[in-house]
Amino acid sequence: SQQGEEDPQALSIQEGENATMNCSYKTSINNLQWYRQNSGRGLVHLILIRSNEREKHSGRLRVTLDTSKKSSSLLITASRAADTASYFCATDRRTGANSKLTFGKGITLSVRP
Amino acid sequence: DGGITQSPKYLFRKEGQNVTLSCEQNLNHDAMYWYRQDPGQGLRLIYYSQIVNDFQKGDIAEGYSVSREKKESFPLTVTSAQKNPTAFYLCASSTTLGTGRKNEQYFGPGTRLTVT
Repeated sequence: SQQGEEDPQALSIQEGENATMNCSYKTSINNLQWYRQNSGRGLVHLILIRSNEREKHSGRLRVTLDTSKKSSSLLITASRAADTASYFCATDRRTGANSKLTFGKGITLSVRP
Repeated sequence: DGGITQSPKYLFRKEGQNVTLSCEQNLNHDAMYWYRQDPGQGLRLIYYSQIVNDFQKGDIAEGYSVSREKKESFPLTVTSAQKNPTAFYLCASSTTLGTGRKNEQYFGPGTRLTVT
């Protein structure tokens, strides 16, 4: 079953606008990660937020985590056409020595020039 | 250049044939993973390996097999038993776990397998 569920499924915005993407999950996590995938390529890690953190920034990215609501959001500020890609949240539910990431279905972001 | 390589980028096979997908990394990572991606489905974990000569089934291991004889290599065989093998296959790696370690994964460029 899917641990992370992103929302919306697709988002289309104008260059320069902010893009907000949400992720909800079901069980407790160690950390939550966001990845980006350009069409036909592998995924690229963007940012990781631990379960004891509430907000993190990296360049134009801001991620928040609300463990009481089991949700996270990724904000991309001042979007560019090059931000057009699919974005995935992934939850790390480490059990003992094993660690697996469970990915959501992804959000397709289109940034119009 | 450090990274993960997958070959080939595109692979075509006839139904009933086994096919092996290559994954090599020079990041000195202990853990490696295989995912399958179908349109609208996100990534689903097939197999993973935390250390050489050991691997575990993921969520959709049926019809697949792996080996981990070397730290750098984690080949995936799609067998004829896999009912719907046409998909985009992604390999990833990460550092070993330890106190405070993060499990961020580094991905290869993927192999698109088409079985007809």
